[in-house]
Amino acid sequence: AIWMTQSPSLLSASTGDRVTISCRMSQGISSYLAWYQQKPGKAPELLIYAASTLQSGVPSRFSGSGSGTDFTLTISCLQSEDFATYYCQQYYSFPFTFGPGTKVDIK
Amino acid sequence: QVQLVQSGSELKKPGASVKVSCKASGYTFTSYAMNWVRQAPGQGLEWMGWINTNTGNPTYAQGFTGRFVFSLDTSVSTAYLQISSLKAEDTAVYYCARDAGATGYWGQGTLVTVSS
Repeated sequence: AIWMTQSPSLLSASTGDRVTISCRMSQGISSYLAWYQQKPGKAPELLIYAASTLQSGVPSRFSGSGSGTDFTLTISCLQSEDFATYYCQQYYSFPFTFGPGTKVDIK
Repeated sequence: QVQLVQSGSELKKPGASVKVSCKASGYTFTSYAMNWVRQAPGQGLEWMGWINTNTGNPTYAQGFTGRFVFSLDTSVSTAYLQISSLKAEDTAVYYCARDAGATGYWGQGTLVTVSS
């Protein structure tokens, strides 16, 4: 199985900040990576797929980059509704593992 | 519009079984795979596996073999997750999610609580 790490696990930020979350794979996955946002008590929502393709309806302040083993999710100007937990997921090979998550909270 | 509607919360005793349903609408059910994802209280997301809705062939992640069964009733566009011999550590929210790979459509989640 492919193992993933995310950093940081907790990110304290303020509205308007630029934030970056990293996801690292134990082996290369090309661009088969998705990013999700989850708020308490809600199902995850897909933000980005294929490492850098924005899901329809997702604000353009979200962007993704990377390929192979190292990936990044960037929120260019943090809004109040962005305080949530973010997960990466690889879908290169079974099992389609999720990263451990990064919680973005208010500084 | 695409919708995945899951069955309601369940409270079960250890050793019992539970069957969670996920009814799909707004698209051709057999055209897209269905994933199952577990989230224990306060924990992250675990991909349990998926079922090919065209063939009915399931794939289970390690740790979800034996007591966990994915099934379908294509006549009513519904996927099922059955868990047998329930343990306290099965207490979690279980999600169905459409597509193989990046999953853009999720059910609302079903809380299964296992407690004596």
